[in-house]
Amino acid sequence: EVQLVESGGGLVQPGRSLRLSCAASGFTFDDYAMHWVRQAPGKGLEWVSGISWNSGSIGYADSVKGRFTISRDNAKNSLYLQMNSLRAEDTALYYCAKDIGGMIVVVNVFDYWGQGTLVTVSS
Amino acid sequence: EIVLTQSPGTLSLSPGERATLSCRASQSVSSSYLAWYQQKPGQAPRLLIYGASSRATGIPDRFSGSGSGTDFTLTISRLEPEDFAVYYCQQYGSSPTFGQGTKVEIK
Repeated sequence: EVQLVESGGGLVQPGRSLRLSCAASGFTFDDYAMHWVRQAPGKGLEWVSGISWNSGSIGYADSVKGRFTISRDNAKNSLYLQMNSLRAEDTALYYCAKDIGGMIVVVNVFDYWGQGTLVTVSS
Repeated sequence: EIVLTQSPGTLSLSPGERATLSCRASQSVSSSYLAWYQQKPGQAPRLLIYGASSRATGIPDRFSGSGSGTDFTLTISRLEPEDFAVYYCQQYGSSPTFGQGTKVEIK
């Protein structure tokens, strides 16, 4: 059974940093691209960032480019999101999501999701 | 950026009825790279459809997707009680974007 468990969320002041983690199990982690998708309270979904299986291809939404950094550690079956210069508008539930594609292709379709970790940016 | 506009915002229907949800793109979605997700309160989204019309693993055949170019549709042939939820479309031809969602509520 595929499991994605996010951690690292919390309350942080504007301008500060936070690092999210996602522990994956139940599938061959290093065969798949992975993503972060967020959802502000009561709002819709927003793709934040994605990373290919070997970290060779990385993408970011314009809203976080230059402030957030995605990474992965295949030996630890883990995905990370380093969030710097946080803003109030970054307040959201952050989901870790598995890409439907295989080793070569990043499809940007999300077939498994974690339950999310809440990030609140407020003074 | 491709903007997706979903309509209607809310759909009020009874169990057993047919639901038709629309997703319109601001520019053509290449190769029908369009997906649909279902989200229930307090839960993560669930992939229903990708490639505009391919059902994801384990999705009942009462869910179907159609369309191409800029106009796409999700149809639920007969609503079951567990189908009342919010539905999002997503394009993945370029930097992924989602629609704002359609809520299917019990009439």
